[in-house]
Amino acid sequence: QQQVKQSPQSLIVQKGGISIINCAYENTAFDYFPWYQQFPGKGPALLIAIRPDVSEKKEGRFTISFNKSAKQFSLHIMDSQPGDSATYFCAARPHSNYQLIWGAGTKLIIKP
Amino acid sequence: DAGVIQSPRHEVTEMGQEVTLRCKPISGHDYLFWYRQTMMRGLELLIYFNNNVPIDDSGMPEDRFSAKMPNASFSTLKIQPSEPRDSAVYFCASSRAGKSYEQYFGPGTRLTVT
Repeated sequence: QQQVKQSPQSLIVQKGGISIINCAYENTAFDYFPWYQQFPGKGPALLIAIRPDVSEKKEGRFTISFNKSAKQFSLHIMDSQPGDSATYFCAARPHSNYQLIWGAGTKLIIKP
Repeated sequence: DAGVIQSPRHEVTEMGQEVTLRCKPISGHDYLFWYRQTMMRGLELLIYFNNNVPIDDSGMPEDRFSAKMPNASFSTLKIQPSEPRDSAVYFCASSRAGKSYEQYFGPGTRLTVT
């Protein structure tokens, strides 16, 4: 069964620090790796996505790093702000269909 | 665009009652997804549609759950009869063909079954 394993389950970072969330997948049959951000009481929202032929993608303070050989990808939030406090989900889209395989989520708290 | 619209936002019902959740996807989107979110099980895909046709319903927990999409602008998720373990937040999401990794979620329906 295809799986995406996400860690840590929760993370506390000081304001201005770097938040790092990691995900690993178990096979190579994925063509997109998106990250979603969810605030309390809201639905998840796409933050940034990467294809497996790209090693890094940056959008503002958010960067995805992708290591194809290790089957791992990570989200880095630079200069973390209290407004970044949310739950973050990694996901992967299989080649063969159009659904997403979701990680379990990471609850991020940025302390002022 | 108004985004994905879900109703009701909150539903409290008694065990055994029928519950119907509603979703209006973003106009022009070809895919519609129903999810359930709980603390214990995280985000679970229940079913998804492509052009109003159910593609994969393997995530539907049991026969008490059913989903329909009679047209491109409306979908329902029905639970009959409801049970306390169905209590969760149910999300509807939609996406364009070719960009199904970019899903737009509605605000969710918080269901409580007592």
